[in-house]
Amino acid sequence: ELKVEQNPLFLSMQEGKNYTIYCNYSTTSDRLYWYRQDPGKSLESLFVLLSNGAVKQEGRLMASLDTKARLSTLHITAAVHDLSATYFCAVAYSRSGGGADGLTFGKGTHLIIQP
Amino acid sequence: KAGVTQTPRYLIKTRGQQVTLSCSPISGHRSVSWYQQTPGQGLQFLFEYFSETQRNKGNFPGRFSGRQFSNSRSEMNVSTLELGDSALYLCASSYRANEQFFGPGTRLTVL
Repeated sequence: ELKVEQNPLFLSMQEGKNYTIYCNYSTTSDRLYWYRQDPGKSLESLFVLLSNGAVKQEGRLMASLDTKARLSTLHITAAVHDLSATYFCAVAYSRSGGGADGLTFGKGTHLIIQP
Repeated sequence: KAGVTQTPRYLIKTRGQQVTLSCSPISGHRSVSWYQQTPGQGLQFLFEYFSETQRNKGNFPGRFSGRQFSNSRSEMNVSTLELGDSALYLCASSYRANEQFFGPGTRLTVL
């Protein structure tokens, strides 16, 4: 059974600081996703990481994937209040039946950025 | 391009009733997946449909079922509702086995 662990689950930080969210998963997979969710809203796709060593950046967010270590990181640089949200990582699990894979999500990191 | 749409957005039902939720994927996307989000269990995969066929299924009881139509629209049905079925139900569509785009969700409350 695929397990996805995120840490920390809660993070309160000040504007201007840097921080990293970690996502570990238990089974081989070469597809990892990061999503953002605002309170009462749906999931917004941030990054799709498809291969070992993949690094993607968008604004103050940068995500990376190490498939050998089964680890992905989401790094926040010089945080601003607008980045306050819950961030989820999700791993695609390749079932033997084929087809598009159901995603297994971590529990999410609730991020609060204070002025 | 229009995004994933889900109807209804909010629903209140009582225990024992059944409910049907609808999802229209992004135009051209043939894969539709359903997820349940609750505070206790987080986001859990229900099932995935492609070309009217269920290809993958999560670990949910048989009360949860779905189907997909020839225009790729999908419905999810929950029979004999229980209090624990109260959740946000999210639908996601994808073009291939890559990025999944989520709809706004249907918030189901079971009383």
